[in-house]
Amino acid sequence: QVQLVQSGAEMKKPGASVKVSCRASGYNFAAYTIHWVRQAPGQRLEWVGWINTATAVTKYSDKFQGRVTLTGDTSASTAYMELSGLRSEDTASYFCARGARLGWGDAFPFWGQGTMVTVSS
Amino acid sequence: SYELTQPPSVSVSPGQTARITCSGDALPNQYGYWYQQKPGQAPVLVIYTDTERPSGIPERFSGSSSGTTVTLTISGVQAEDEADYYCQSADSSGTSLVFGGGTKLTVL
Repeated sequence: QVQLVQSGAEMKKPGASVKVSCRASGYNFAAYTIHWVRQAPGQRLEWVGWINTATAVTKYSDKFQGRVTLTGDTSASTAYMELSGLRSEDTASYFCARGARLGWGDAFPFWGQGTMVTVSS
Repeated sequence: SYELTQPPSVSVSPGQTARITCSGDALPNQYGYWYQQKPGQAPVLVIYTDTERPSGIPERFSGSSSGTTVTLTISGVQAEDEADYYCQSADSSGTSLVFGGGTKLTVL
């Protein structure tokens, strides 16, 4: 079965960077995009961006452009999200989600468990 | 930036029908998706491409689309349906995705 397993919680100081991993199993990693979504405590879901895991082409939300970098390692079936210049407002759970098969549009049928990133001095 | 608008809360009694709307200017040309999220858990896809239901999602969940609004309908609401519901779509270019503000469904 499809599984996305993310790395553990992180605590960072303002101005630092964080790199979250998302290890995929149960399917051909290079056949589907990986998206990243974040959710601050008690707030809405917020789309961060996506990576085409076969070509490494990326698309970022305007809000995160310049601060986020999405990468993938097909040999390890793992996607990564790195966010730099952390500030307190970046405190959130970060989720990876797999894109859907043809005909399902932009749906996210599979999600990782989420990684809590806390930014505090 | 593009936004999707949902009511903050909807309350229904068990067995009644709950309807949650999501409005956005690009919805006539972009599909809508719906997710259920319970506290401390990742979202679960309940409707894709406006009206389709993934396998394993109960038949009481359905979706519809009309103009600039997509609607999630839960018929015969059960206590276990109490959760936050988020709509998702894309902007007019189709390249940037966006989520609505979420609707808290309370089962009285």
